[in-house]
Amino acid sequence: DAKTTQPTSMDCAEGRAANLPCNHSTISGNEYVYWYRQIHSQGPQYIIHGLKNNETNEMASLIITEDRKSSTLILPHATLRDTAVYYCIALVRGSQGNLIFGKGTKLSVKP
Amino acid sequence: ETGVTQTPRHLVMGMTNKKSLKCEQHLGHNAMYWYKQSAKKPLELMFVYNFKEQTENNSVPSRFSPECPNSSHLFLHLHTLQPEDSALYLCASSQDFGSLEYSPLHFGNGTRLTVT
Repeated sequence: DAKTTQPTSMDCAEGRAANLPCNHSTISGNEYVYWYRQIHSQGPQYIIHGLKNNETNEMASLIITEDRKSSTLILPHATLRDTAVYYCIALVRGSQGNLIFGKGTKLSVKP
Repeated sequence: ETGVTQTPRHLVMGMTNKKSLKCEQHLGHNAMYWYKQSAKKPLELMFVYNFKEQTENNSVPSRFSPECPNSSHLFLHLHTLQPEDSALYLCASSQDFGSLEYSPLHFGNGTRLTVT
């Protein structure tokens, strides 16, 4: 599975958009990009996933570059409850049981 | 509420004790997982069960013994643990393991284990 690289930490003002980058320059054609987050004292929570098209759901949007070497998770209106560690994972479809969580990005949403 | 319930939330045990962690999912999923999260380390996959059959064992020491009596319940039996086994133990479930239709993992909130 492709290695992903994320910044260690980011801050965001409450109500503003939070843009979390992820680099996956060695991603292969059959690997999807998945995002999970882990709020303190809770288990990880699935957010969104995509292959090459941009995706949007009720939680977030996922923007994947045309060359698929990087992506950005967008939380359009961050709230204090979005403070969490965000994990970007590249994985072949059909092997969701082999999720490998890296260190992720610690997002701090501030009032 | 994630649909995955873990008990107990906190557990303190001595190195000679035997205890069990319990996980129950109410999502109708067929795959269940145990993960370990140590302080300042990434989550580590320990065991996977798919349709009650163990499909993955990531070189976990034998002092950890999983049990999956049915698709809704998963146990982790603990005996003669070491202090370095202190960690957050997370249970997860998904519709299937290896299905081409992506099924997100749903995690419980974990059991915080301290071995003294």
